[in-house]
Amino acid sequence: NAGVMQNPRHLVRRRGQEARLRCSPMKGHSHVYWYRQLPEEGLKFMVYLQKENIIDESGMPKERFSAEFPKEGPSILRIQQVVRGDSAAYFCASSPTDASTDTQYFGPGTRLTVL
Amino acid sequence: AQSVAQPEDQVNVAEGNPLTVKCTYSVSGNPYLFWYVQYPNRGLQFLLKYITGDNLVKGSYGFEAEFNKSQTSFHLKKPSALVSDSALYFCAVRSVYGNNRLAFGKGNQVVVIP
Repeated sequence: NAGVMQNPRHLVRRRGQEARLRCSPMKGHSHVYWYRQLPEEGLKFMVYLQKENIIDESGMPKERFSAEFPKEGPSILRIQQVVRGDSAAYFCASSPTDASTDTQYFGPGTRLTVL
Repeated sequence: AQSVAQPEDQVNVAEGNPLTVKCTYSVSGNPYLFWYVQYPNRGLQFLLKYITGDNLVKGSYGFEAEFNKSQTSFHLKKPSALVSDSALYFCAVRSVYGNNRLAFGKGNQVVVIP
């Protein structure tokens, strides 16, 4: 049973470019969460999605950032016009249901470097 | 708001000695508590969680954690540390009040000395 998949593992962008990060949840999981890990910090919640719905995006910056989880295909975290401060590790997690007791299982992360 | 404090940046322990990684939390209502481990350039691996019931929770790789409601703590323990336990450990909390986000501590770097 494959775990959470993320790609690319490493992404380098120049300031002003767009970054697209992909996440495929574990088989049978329909709930996806995105977190950001800045250097020397813990993970910070960004957004929570179910298939075709954004449930909670309160942790995501209002500008330049967007997320989707279409009916078919992976969840996408999109960062437009990247800036150096966007450099971080972005982790995706998935869970089978929306129960608060569910464990969130994490992918290997995408490490974004903005030059 | 929910939050987690992991007071020590780094924990050094000799191989074979007991390992403790401290975590205290703040949350409205009853907490759901989690421990994850992160190896270099890897994602977070789930170790264990406390939902309800017995305050002592056993998890993967010989780890256990004790929930203490009066002290709002959820310390991670292992009776005998291995060199391979050297990693970054994160404590996380979620509120019972339906908010599915996890709030993470800053993490503790554990170094097990051979």
